[in-house]
Amino acid sequence: QKEVEQNSGPLSVPEGAIASLNCTYSDRGSQSFFWYRQYSGKSPELIMSIYSNGDKEDGRFTAQLNKASQYVSLLIRDSQPSDSATYLCAVNNIMDSSYKLIFGSGTRLLVRP
Amino acid sequence: GAVVSQHPSWVICKSGTSVKIECRSLDFQATTMFWYRQFPKQSLMLMATSNEGSKATYEQGVEKDKFLINHASLTLSTLTVTSAHPEDSSFYICSATWTSGGFSSYNEQFFGPGTRLTVL
Repeated sequence: QKEVEQNSGPLSVPEGAIASLNCTYSDRGSQSFFWYRQYSGKSPELIMSIYSNGDKEDGRFTAQLNKASQYVSLLIRDSQPSDSATYLCAVNNIMDSSYKLIFGSGTRLLVRP
Repeated sequence: GAVVSQHPSWVICKSGTSVKIECRSLDFQATTMFWYRQFPKQSLMLMATSNEGSKATYEQGVEKDKFLINHASLTLSTLTVTSAHPEDSSFYICSATWTSGGFSSYNEQFFGPGTRLTVL
């Protein structure tokens, strides 16, 4: 059973702080990793994708991947109240012909003004 | 780019009726679309994978005769909830990805805005 684990939270950080969201996965064959943001009552929105070990930065967001440890994280710098949402980690093995993503249950982030 | 639309955004129907939800990829050809269901404060639950021109693959526990999926073109998939009951009330979300030569572009999935179904 392929699994993706996330702490459900809520993770509460003050405005302006760095929020660190973590995710572990069980399938060593996973090759694509994604972070989605989901506001309450809305559908998920893709915010970051990462495919190679190391860091990938996009604005205030940095995704970090460590395949040896089967660990992927998302850092949000200068957190804003508008970042308050549930963050979903998703992984995929591109050799899986179904193209399915395996989602974690999400971490709820609260950014306090 | 990579915009996915859904219609309707919300629907209220009587128990026993059928409801059709459309999912369209607006600016790319979606060879594979996915249908999810999400109950309040719960995780996304994959219902089925839909490939253009072929039968959908349903996840374990999802009734294929109740949730009819059609993916007749590279830009349109439909989900029909047949004989809907109050327990089918949920947030239904589609997503789409594209493939080329048998491999996708890293399997990024782009989600539609969702359809909120309420069955009275």
